Amino acid sequence: AQTVTQSQPEMSVQEAETVTLSCTYDTSESDYYLFWYKQPPSRQMILVIRQEAYKQQNATENRFSVNFQKAAKSFSLKISDSQLGDAAMYFCDRDDKIIFGKGTRLHILP
Amino acid sequence: DTGVSQDPRHKITKRGQNVTFRCDPISEHNRLYWYRQTLGQGPEFLTYFQNEAQLEKSRLLSDRFSAERPKGSFSTLEIQRTEQGDSAMYLCASSLDRGQFVSYEQYFGPGTRLTVT
Repeated sequence: AQTVTQSQPEMSVQEAETVTLSCTYDTSESDYYLFWYKQPPSRQMILVIRQEAYKQQNATENRFSVNFQKAAKSFSLKISDSQLGDAAMYFCDRDDKIIFGKGTRLHILP
Repeated sequence: DTGVSQDPRHKITKRGQNVTFRCDPISEHNRLYWYRQTLGQGPEFLTYFQNEAQLEKSRLLSDRFSAERPKGSFSTLEIQRTEQGDSAMYLCASSLDRGQFVSYEQYFGPGTRLTVT
């Protein structure tokens, strides 16, 4: 079965520090998209960042960036200068099979 | 357009009753997805539509579940003879399939929380 794996159920980071959330996936496709979504407590899921598999360059959105290793099928999310508002569940998603990982709960310590 | 909306936001029902949820996607979006999410878990795919056509259904979607998108706009998800195991958050999302350039970036609604007693 083609899967998405997030191996860190929970993580904590001090405010203003940097944290990296990991995601690995399985696919036989060559072109696909990868996403990180954020789901704050009791709020709806929103897109954080998107990576197109055929692009070598890692995607960046302000404090959020990815480390995409296509050969290793790895897609980690780096959050720099962590803020209290970053506390949420983070889900990794591979689009073509509409598969989400089980999520990583990120705690921000003031 | 204010995004994806879902109605109701909360539903409490007794076991054996039927329930129906509605999702209104972003107006120009031609794809619509339904997911189920239980506490502490990621969304589990149930089904999706491209316009009015239901293109894929998960094995999670038992014969008690049915989804429609009659005019390619809003969608309904009906659960018949509800069971306690159906208690979950039901999420709807929509996306735009632009043909050659397809990113499947999904926009989620706030969800409908179902509690079956």
